[in-house]
Amino acid sequence: QSALTQPPSASGSAGQSVTISCTGTSSDIGGYDYVSWYQHHPGKAPKLLIFEVSARPSGVPDRFSGSKSGNTASLTVSGLQAEDEADYYCSSFAGTNIPYVFGTGTKVTVL
Amino acid sequence: QVQLVESGGGVVQPGRSLRLSCEASGVIISDYGMHWVRQAPGKGLEWVAGIWYDGSQKYYADSVKGRCTISRDNSRKRLYLEMNNLRAEDTAVYFCARDQSSSGDDGMDVWGQGTTVTVSS
Repeated sequence: QSALTQPPSASGSAGQSVTISCTGTSSDIGGYDYVSWYQHHPGKAPKLLIFEVSARPSGVPDRFSGSKSGNTASLTVSGLQAEDEADYYCSSFAGTNIPYVFGTGTKVTVL
Repeated sequence: QVQLVESGGGVVQPGRSLRLSCEASGVIISDYGMHWVRQAPGKGLEWVAGIWYDGSQKYYADSVKGRCTISRDNSRKRLYLEMNNLRAEDTAVYFCARDQSSSGDDGMDVWGQGTTVTVSS
């Protein structure tokens, strides 16, 4: 159950885009289309942004988009806004007994 | 108001036990898988345990397997995590979360604010 690998930090100016990668293996990301992404403002409840690689729950702006290629998933935040400054985590299904393995987390800074 | 509210956290000595609870309000949990996720100080999110909508299947991270038991009481709208033989590395904020699926593998769409567990002598 090794954590998925994310860059520790990412940044972009307001209005620009930032893309966060999430690298796993063929036993998790590469093997299933059950990748989800979460936004977490410290001290608050995490928020689901993306599920099943690229689907958005109702209420999540289309500025947030997800994709996957091989063992790597990506989250793109377009039109960065100040409130997007937060920690972002990917997660993936990793087998019948391991429904979730999280990524190491990426802190996004809006310049 | 849609919310999950965790309780039961506190300061506990190594080797002791603790039972966390999560109560649902304004949200249905009986049809959905449920999970416990934790965040140690300065660390990222870690999935801890999950349970199917009817309690028939339960899953645990290797880090807590054999020491923790997840359970639920749908009639009371509650989720539980019994933690035994606590270690310093169990110190964390513990979140309960509802899955979008009944089996618990399709994204966690409702989260609580968390309850803090500190294991220290």
